[in-house]
Amino acid sequence: EPEVTQTPSHQVTQMGQEVILRCVPISNHLYFYWYRQILGQKVEFLVSFYNNEISEKSEIFDDQFSVERPDGSNFTLKIRSTKLEDSAMYFCASIRASIGNEQFFGPGTRLTVL
Amino acid sequence: AQSVTQLDSQVPVFEEAPVELRCNYSSSVSVYLFWYVQYPNQGLQLLLKYLSGSTLVKGINGFEAEFNKSQTSFHLRKPSVHISDTAEYFCAVSVYNTNAGKSTFGDGTTLTVKP
Repeated sequence: EPEVTQTPSHQVTQMGQEVILRCVPISNHLYFYWYRQILGQKVEFLVSFYNNEISEKSEIFDDQFSVERPDGSNFTLKIRSTKLEDSAMYFCASIRASIGNEQFFGPGTRLTVL
Repeated sequence: AQSVTQLDSQVPVFEEAPVELRCNYSSSVSVYLFWYVQYPNQGLQLLLKYLSGSTLVKGINGFEAEFNKSQTSFHLRKPSVHISDTAEYFCAVSVYNTNAGKSTFGDGTTLTVKP
């Protein structure tokens, strides 16, 4: 069964450094998402992406964040200058929009900012 | 905008007892409804979903949920829990709109199954 994959599974970085989290959505999906889950808290929407542009973003998704689909398979989340409060689990998700709105989630990347 | 309220932050229960995890939602448009389970230090696993049709949906691991449109609820139930069901459970909604589709999650319910 096709699945969403994410790399790396765990990323440790120093405050102020740039990080890129990578996702490979399911191949025939058209809509892509990033979510964040701070330890012990709920899952929060960051951004949705369709047709090579952001379709919606939350207030969390400020100028420090950007997303890109650099080729036909990868979907990346970049944090330009990480802060301690960016430490969280980041989940990628994708949807094959023609069949309802069931999102398929990746396993997540745990980001630790020191 | 949509919102999800999980009415119990923690639910302790003994093994083999029944359990219900409650979820209410608010939305001005039609939504899809989901329950996810998250084991410690792991990702989100879809338990079950309501997209349309029968309001009683069955999922994995013996869980089921009932969509009640008039009460805007989607409570999760299991007739007999196991120790292995101990985990965090999240209720989520997404808008019936292919141009949006983002999910809004509840705060989660910690289910602890005791021997």
